[in-house]
Amino acid sequence: DAGITQSPRYKITETGRQVTLMCHQTWSHSYMFWYRQDLGHGLRLIYYSAAADITDKGEVPDGYVVSRSKTENFPLTLESATRSQTSVYFCASSDLAGGSGEQYFGPGTRLTVT
Amino acid sequence: KNEVEQSPQNLTAQEGEFITINCSYSVGISALHWLQQHPGGGIVSLFMLSSGKKKHGRLIATINIQEKHSSLHITASHPRDSAVYICAVSRNTGNQFYFGTGTSLTVIP
Repeated sequence: DAGITQSPRYKITETGRQVTLMCHQTWSHSYMFWYRQDLGHGLRLIYYSAAADITDKGEVPDGYVVSRSKTENFPLTLESATRSQTSVYFCASSDLAGGSGEQYFGPGTRLTVT
Repeated sequence: KNEVEQSPQNLTAQEGEFITINCSYSVGISALHWLQQHPGGGIVSLFMLSSGKKKHGRLIATINIQEKHSSLHITASHPRDSAVYICAVSRNTGNQFYFGTGTSLTVIP
């Protein structure tokens, strides 16, 4: 299916485990983003990527790792999950730099760390 | 202090009412975005604007660059408009977006 997809949609994991959230887009957009959404904070940028093999930190990168070996995929890894990483995670993509283009959001992944 | 402030945080309206949601920002921007998030979580872009006014159906978005303020208006509101409306700005430097905390709108039949 065309568009931007995330998997899994729901995940429960234990403290200390490694978790990878997947994001896939079919538009060949250059820019991809990972956000987390928490009550009272709104959406906050974790990492973004301007192209394959180019990534940069956002506002809240600690405890997360990203990679982008292919334009269409942008996985987010929590190397050792903590309870504070319980959140809803959104992936987004855009075809233009900065705010020049719209961002298209995936459906989100609800992660619970116990 | 957040770069983007929205008001009100919560809003309840009767079907048919005219609704206004406000957004103020404190940084230089290249564009301002209004997003809609329905129960169930999906986020869609409603408007992207850098000046003036845009209209799409019953939704109107305006921006005043000098005052660093934007408004989202909904005319003839309907229960299906019930959602969280999020204001976001993209700074004129870098590739980052900054988001308001959202306005939760409930339209009662």
